Amino acid sequence: EAGVAQSPRYKIIEKRQSVAFWCNPISGHATLYWYQQILGQGPKLLIQFQNNGVVDDSQLPKDRFSAERLKGVDSTLKIQPAKLEDSAVYLCASSSTGRDQPQHFGDGTRLSIL
Amino acid sequence: QQQVKQSPQSLIVQKGGISIINCAYENTAFDYFPWYQQFPGKGPALLIAIRPDVSEKKEGRFTISFNKSAKQFSLHIMDSQPGDSATYFCAASVAINNDMRFGAGTRLTVKP
Repeated sequence: EAGVAQSPRYKIIEKRQSVAFWCNPISGHATLYWYQQILGQGPKLLIQFQNNGVVDDSQLPKDRFSAERLKGVDSTLKIQPAKLEDSAVYLCASSSTGRDQPQHFGDGTRLSIL
Repeated sequence: QQQVKQSPQSLIVQKGGISIINCAYENTAFDYFPWYQQFPGKGPALLIAIRPDVSEKKEGRFTISFNKSAKQFSLHIMDSQPGDSATYFCAASVAINNDMRFGAGTRLTVKP
């Protein structure tokens, strides 16, 4: 079974620029998650999709972050404009629908803001 | 607001020893408690999980102990090995929607 794929692995941009991350979940997984992991901290959920609908985006800074999941498969997360505090690893995870389903994580995109 | 508090921040154990990591939660609606293991440059990987209707779950060298009344749970790694050196995260969620909240992590180092 192929795992969660993310790209790019690394990205360096200057503040106020925009950036986008891409995620391809495990085949058949209806639920997709984006997390932000700041160095030395645990992952923080940004947004959760069920198929192509948003289940929870309460922790997404909507003034600068946006995400979409077209056709209920791949997803993109965008930051525009980026701030210094956005420097982090952005993790994508997916799971099957239902109770106690384990979340499978990709290896993330490490974003550095100069 | 930190909903899951994890300790210690770092832990050094000798090979063959027992590693113990503790977590406490606030939200009594949480009903699913997984532990994740993360190696540098990799995403977290599920290690073991427990639901609050049991007090203990064991898988190989890994055991979760759960105290519902105290709202605490812990991970015990028996016979710790250098290959166990990683960062461990506890987490909690309301299982029906899988909205996960993570602890801050414990960096475990197992010395040969």
